[in-house]
Amino acid sequence: KAGVTQTPRYLIKTRGQQVTLSCSPISGHRSVSWYQQTPGQGLQFLFEYFSETQRNKGNFPGRFSGRQFSNSRSEMNVSTLELGDSALYLCASTYGGQTITDTQYFGPGTRLTVL
Amino acid sequence: SQQGEEDPQALSIQEGENATMNCSYKTSINNLQWYRQNSGRGLVHLILIRSNEREKHSGRLRVTLDTSKKSSSLLITASRAADTASYFCATGVVGSSNTGKLIFGQGTTLQVKP
Repeated sequence: KAGVTQTPRYLIKTRGQQVTLSCSPISGHRSVSWYQQTPGQGLQFLFEYFSETQRNKGNFPGRFSGRQFSNSRSEMNVSTLELGDSALYLCASTYGGQTITDTQYFGPGTRLTVL
Repeated sequence: SQQGEEDPQALSIQEGENATMNCSYKTSINNLQWYRQNSGRGLVHLILIRSNEREKHSGRLRVTLDTSKKSSSLLITASRAADTASYFCATGVVGSSNTGKLIFGQGTTLQVKP
């Protein structure tokens, strides 16, 4: 099976702009989780989608949002970008049928730079 | 907030030596997982140990879990230069409100010198 894919791989934006990142999970996986990785805060959970519904959300401002489509592909959007949003954004997929968090399979990430 | 604290933060060893990394966590877990990350790329899953397991092996990897101490260790035996990477522990926390969410430690950066 093909792995998790993320597009674009690199992105440069300026403050105040908005950005949309895309994630295609492994075929058959219905859960997609998003994480932000920065040198200062490490890996932090953003949100998780399962069968087109947001099932869990981390402690991020409302500028961070996401959605999932019927084919399980997911997008996350960040509006009104700030310098501190510069980070590696990782998505991960899993089958998601259980209520516990099992092995997650990560994509290569999108490196976002905000100038 | 980070649940896992990893120790050491950085580790440098010679090829062929063993590397041991430790992870502590704070709350009740369903499982604990270890991931590897090479140079800011995506994370690669290494091993998962469930809360009712005490030890697990996978190739050159050995993971232990002590739920009474809320700690885990990852041992890489006979290390290779290709093992150079950052290693993260991640916990799947109990509770349906935590579904799909892994809480990561800050990671251990391992350098294996040829």
